[in-house]
Amino acid sequence: GIQVEQSPPDLILQEGANSTLRCNFSDSVNNLQWFHQNPWGQLINLFYIPSGTKQNGRLSATTVATERYSLLYISSSQTTDSGVYFCAVDYKLSFGAGTTVTVRA
Amino acid sequence: GAVVSQHPSRVICKSGTSVKIECRSLDFQATTMFWYRQFPKQSLMLMATSNEGSKATYEQGVEKDKFLINHASLTLSTLTVTSAHPEDSSFYICSARGARVFEQYFGPGTRLTVT
Repeated sequence: GIQVEQSPPDLILQEGANSTLRCNFSDSVNNLQWFHQNPWGQLINLFYIPSGTKQNGRLSATTVATERYSLLYISSSQTTDSGVYFCAVDYKLSFGAGTTVTVRA
Repeated sequence: GAVVSQHPSRVICKSGTSVKIECRSLDFQATTMFWYRQFPKQSLMLMATSNEGSKATYEQGVEKDKFLINHASLTLSTLTVTSAHPEDSSFYICSARGARVFEQYFGPGTRLTVT
């Protein structure tokens, strides 16, 4: 199956800082999604982005399919951004290990 | 739009009993539903994929006789953990996808504790 690697595994930010999360995948994919898992376990859809660039408020994402990676940008981070961010790819959604983000006030 | 519900949100059962978890797509028809399991501080692992009206496809290492999946309608799938044991304690999450789309939407999860 497709291997998905996310980096960094952990990220500690001061409120207001910007950050970049990375997702590398081992083969071409026709589906890539970014999720935020909140403290209660709910997975929140952030982006469906098999290619190209999208923005939603303070979040944006870019996927370069030919080079097999995707980036998630968080700008002006807030404490509510804390949680685990997952990248998942392909039809049956193979998940990466996630990046745990902690934003401190 | 694209809301998926799960019931119950938490369940505690005794070893040897069976537990049924329901997953519903509330505002769209889910031609495909997926069941995942997540252990503490780990990622999600796909257990099985089900298409409405047909048998589920299980991932390698998942016992189909232990984890019974039924996808009887376009809005409902159920996962039954049979003869549960403490090692089955986990967070079970379903997701759903409509026809001709790739984006999946997830339910809020069910935390199962087997004593």
